[in-house]
Formats: sequence, C-alpha cells, structure tokens
Amino acid sequence: QVQLQESGPGPVKPSGTLSLTCAVSGASISSSNSWTWIRQPPGKGLEWIGEIYHSGNTNYNPSLKSRVTISIDKSKNQFSLKVTSVTAADTAVYYCASPYDREVFDIWGQGTMVTVSS
Amino acid sequence: DIVMTQSPDSLAVSLGERATINCKSSQSVLYTSNNKDHLAWYQQKPGQPPKLLIYWASIRETGVPDRFSGSGSGTDFTLTISSLQAEDVAVYYCQQYYSTPRTFGQGTKVEIK
Repeated sequence: QVQLQESGPGPVKPSGTLSLTCAVSGASISSSNSWTWIRQPPGKGLEWIGEIYHSGNTNYNPSLKSRVTISIDKSKNQFSLKVTSVTAADTAVYYCASPYDREVFDIWGQGTMVTVSS
Repeated sequence: DIVMTQSPDSLAVSLGERATINCKSSQSVLYTSNNKDHLAWYQQKPGQPPKLLIYWASIRETGVPDRFSGSGSGTDFTLTISSLQAEDVAVYYCQQYYSTPRTFGQGTKVEIK
C-alpha cells in the first residue's frame, strides 16, 4: 500500500522560504508518472501548486510559478517543495498527492500545516 | 485556467434523503480523443485529506458506497448522494484534470438537517 508523508521544519517567517518533503513508502517513486503538491488555506478550498514527473519535468500553477520549485530525489524515494518569498497568504495545510492508479489524485498524504508568521 | 464553480455552497439534507451537488466548468473537460470527461469528485472530512470518490465524471472509486453517483458531460456535472448517511457529512469538491493548472471547485458543505 502506497503511503505519502509530508514533513517540514514548522513555522516560516515572512519573506523566508518554505521547504517541505514528501516521503513515499510502499512503492518506488518511479512507479507513478507524477507527484503533486496541493495546498489548502485554513477554512478555504484546494489549490494545485504543481507536479513533477519521474523524468524530472515539472508543471507549476502560473499563480505561484515564479516562487515555486518542485524536485525529486529518487535515491531517497521522496520529492520536495520550495516556496520563496512567503507571506501570510502562503499559510495553509500542504498536501502531497499522486495520480497513482488513476489519472486523478487517488493517493494523498495527511497534510502538514505551515504557518507564515513573524 | 479552467474555473470550476459548484452550487450550492452548502446544503442541509435529512438522513435518508437525496443530496445533489452541481459543478460547472468554464470550458468543456471532455477529451474528444478518448471521449472521457476529465472530472473528479472528492470528499473531505475535518482534519483529513480529500478522498477520491468519482473519476471520469461517473466512475466510482473502489470501495466507495454505491449511494454516491456522478453524472454529466462537457461543462455540467452532478454528484448525487442517493440516501444521506451521517458519515457523509463533509465538504465535497469537484476537480478538472483536462488541463494544467488542475483546478477545484470552491467546495460544497453537506450537513444533516
């Protein structure tokens, strides 16, 4: 059974960089075509941040593209998210997910709350 | 970007009654090459990640009760819960996977009347 687990350093200061990692267990990270980051501000809806293919190619949401980098580390079976120049608007639960067996997000991590605050 | 708009924002339904949620996309999500609508539905309970219910607009994910059904094509879609159970209290989202950026509806909160 494939499982995803997000991890990160906790609170981030405004103008700083948010860094998260998603560890994949139960399968090789190469077994899915792509891996995705999605976020959800408190009490709000879901926003697709971007995706990375096991080839290393990426797609990003244009609304965040200039600040976002998604990378993959096959040796550690994980993928990562960096968001630069964060503001309070980046405060959200961040989920990693994958269209593993379907072409939609059928696997999700539990999510990790990231608060941007001074 | 394809804008997904759900209606209503919330609804309260009696136990055992039908709940209907609508989702409209700003452009068609039907791929003519495979004749499939790239539309999914998710259920999210408090403190949990979304759970996939329906994909290709009408295909139930494995393990999803058959009281959940999806219908529609092109730009207009519906999620129906035929007989609402207490455990169905949640927020429901539609999502298009026709193009990037993938986009979600704003969510519909379903409660018990």
